[in-house]
Amino acid sequence: GNSVTQMEGPVTLSEEAFLTINCTYTATGYPSLFWYVQYPGEGLQLLLKATKADDKGSNKGFEATYRKETTSFHLEKGSVQVSDSAVYFCALSDQRKTSYDKVIFGPGTSLSVIP
Amino acid sequence: GAGVSQSPSNKVTEKGKDVELRCDPISGHTALYWYRQSLGQGLEFLIYFQGNSAPDKSGLPSDRFSAERTGGSVSTLTIQRTQQEDSAVYLCASSLRTSGRGTDTQYFGPGTRLTVL
Repeated sequence: GNSVTQMEGPVTLSEEAFLTINCTYTATGYPSLFWYVQYPGEGLQLLLKATKADDKGSNKGFEATYRKETTSFHLEKGSVQVSDSAVYFCALSDQRKTSYDKVIFGPGTSLSVIP
Repeated sequence: GAGVSQSPSNKVTEKGKDVELRCDPISGHTALYWYRQSLGQGLEFLIYFQGNSAPDKSGLPSDRFSAERTGGSVSTLTIQRTQQEDSAVYLCASSLRTSGRGTDTQYFGPGTRLTVL
């Protein structure tokens, strides 16, 4: 079945450091890929998404490229801020497989950015 | 407009009691999802509603779990005879539709933290 694997952390970075959170997936079809973010005390929010191979999703300085050949969707940001401290979830859904948006989540990566 | 709301935000109950968790989706969203977020388990899908019907209940962990949705809006997740392993954050999400032509963004509520003593 479909699954998502990501580095679990916790990850601690200094402000303005470069961020990479690795995510790989297993899917029998051609899923859409997502990064969700959960800030402390808040609900999950969609950060970015990509729906087909070689698409790049971007938002708030974060980027991720859908790599079919390596089945990866790594999240990157060139310069993190304290306000980026949160838990980041990689996820996929394959509406062509289920006919609706059943989202499969990775375990989440906790990021702490220190001043 | 308002986002997805859930109530209560926190619930502490004793083992063996029944609990009801409520979700108010974004107005006009026809699709509604329940997920569970447990320590060490990540986020797991529980059930999906399209309108008032639930085409997929495959994620419900046991027959102690049930859910309903009325008027195409509010949904209630009920857990009977709660067990300690039911302790988790229960998240609700809604999306505008499930069109089969693409993936609609799911909007999540803040969750209900359930603690079973």
